[in-house]
Amino acid sequence: EDQVTQSPEALRLQEGESSSLNCSYTVSGLRGLFWYRQDPGKGPEFLFTLYSAGEEKEKERLKATLTKKESFLHITAPKPEDSATYLCAGGTDKLIFGTGTRLQVFP
Amino acid sequence: GAVVSQHPSWVICKSGTSVKIECRSLDFQATTMFWYRQFPKQSLMLMATSNEGSKATYEQGVEKDKFLINHASLTLSTLTVTSAHPEDSSFYICSAGGSGGETQYFGPGTRLLVL
Repeated sequence: EDQVTQSPEALRLQEGESSSLNCSYTVSGLRGLFWYRQDPGKGPEFLFTLYSAGEEKEKERLKATLTKKESFLHITAPKPEDSATYLCAGGTDKLIFGTGTRLQVFP
Repeated sequence: GAVVSQHPSWVICKSGTSVKIECRSLDFQATTMFWYRQFPKQSLMLMATSNEGSKATYEQGVEKDKFLINHASLTLSTLTVTSAHPEDSSFYICSAGGSGGETQYFGPGTRLLVL
């Protein structure tokens, strides 16, 4: 059965305290690994797509990496505005979402 | 990134009435659109895949006669919740794109409250 698991479920960081979010996946016929950010009461906002193991992508304080079994979202020196739920999804002909990591960054 | 809109952003209705939600891709043509439902503090659950000009494909456990989907053009898909009941209250989100592993772009969501 296809499955995407994210950890931790929740993460509290001090502003400037770097950390990583984990996404483990077992998806047959994976065509892409997607990261989204979701703020409360809003739809997910696209961050990254990774297609092959070893691939890395960066955007401001975020960097996403991919292996054959996992993806990591590294957050460097986070700011309070980075507080959100981060969703990982494995893509085939549809997206299989993990349950998300709820990140809170305190000043 | 691509822009997807939804209308309305929120709706309150009485039990037994029908509610229509529109999803539009504003700056690209989408042969495929998706409809999701999200309950509080839970992740997105795919309800159905909507393909332009053909019948939608529903996920297991989703009643196709209750959640009517129409994808009449490359920029518009609609979800109609028929005879809504309080248990249908949820956050409904659409997305566009995503065929063949391409990126799905999400709308802002529609919050439905059935009284």
